Amino acid sequence: AQTVTQSQPEMSVQEAETVTLSCTYDTSESDYYLFWYKQPPSRQMILVIRQEAYKQQNATENRFSVNFQKAAKSFSLKISDSQLGDAAMYFCAYRSAKNTDKLIFGTGTRLQVFP
Amino acid sequence: DARVTQTPRHKVTEMGQEVTMRCQPILGHNTVFWYRQTMMQGLELLAYFRNRAPLDDSGMPKDRFSAEMPDATLATLKIQPSEPRDSAVYFCASGLISTASGGRVNFGPGTRLTVL
Repeated sequence: AQTVTQSQPEMSVQEAETVTLSCTYDTSESDYYLFWYKQPPSRQMILVIRQEAYKQQNATENRFSVNFQKAAKSFSLKISDSQLGDAAMYFCAYRSAKNTDKLIFGTGTRLQVFP
Repeated sequence: DARVTQTPRHKVTEMGQEVTMRCQPILGHNTVFWYRQTMMQGLELLAYFRNRAPLDDSGMPKDRFSAEMPDATLATLKIQPSEPRDSAVYFCASGLISTASGGRVNFGPGTRLTVL
């Protein structure tokens, strides 16, 4: 069974600085998708970034980028130029490319942003 | 921007009462998920449907929970009878999923359920 591990329950960063959130996963599959979701206090789950395992190029969305290391089964999220609005819970998630559709989530990392 | 909608947003009820949560998935999405979020267990998949057919409900306590999709615009999650341990935030999500592509999954705002 696939598992997703986020080893940092909490992280903090100063406004305008860069922070990296860690995520590792375990799978025997070769084709899958990885996601980072943001959950602000409103509890809405917002997709931040998505990575296909067959793509070697790391995904980027504005200030958000990932470091995808397939062999190491690592999928970290880098937030550049952190803003106060980035404060939230961040969840890493895995989904098989087979027709199973389940998103498997990590336990989350709470990010605090200080002015 | 199309969104997944859920009602009610908040529900407080007493133990033993029936609770029904509703979800309107995004038009055109073929897959609907129900997730539950608690502090202890995190995000758990309860059940999901493809083209309105239930595909997996192994994460759901069968004796008290039931999930249905009476039509393509409505998914329901019922708890009968409710218990205090059911207190959680319940998320509905929808996506256009196929074997050919990953597909983005959109989450609704959640229903915060408190069972006293």
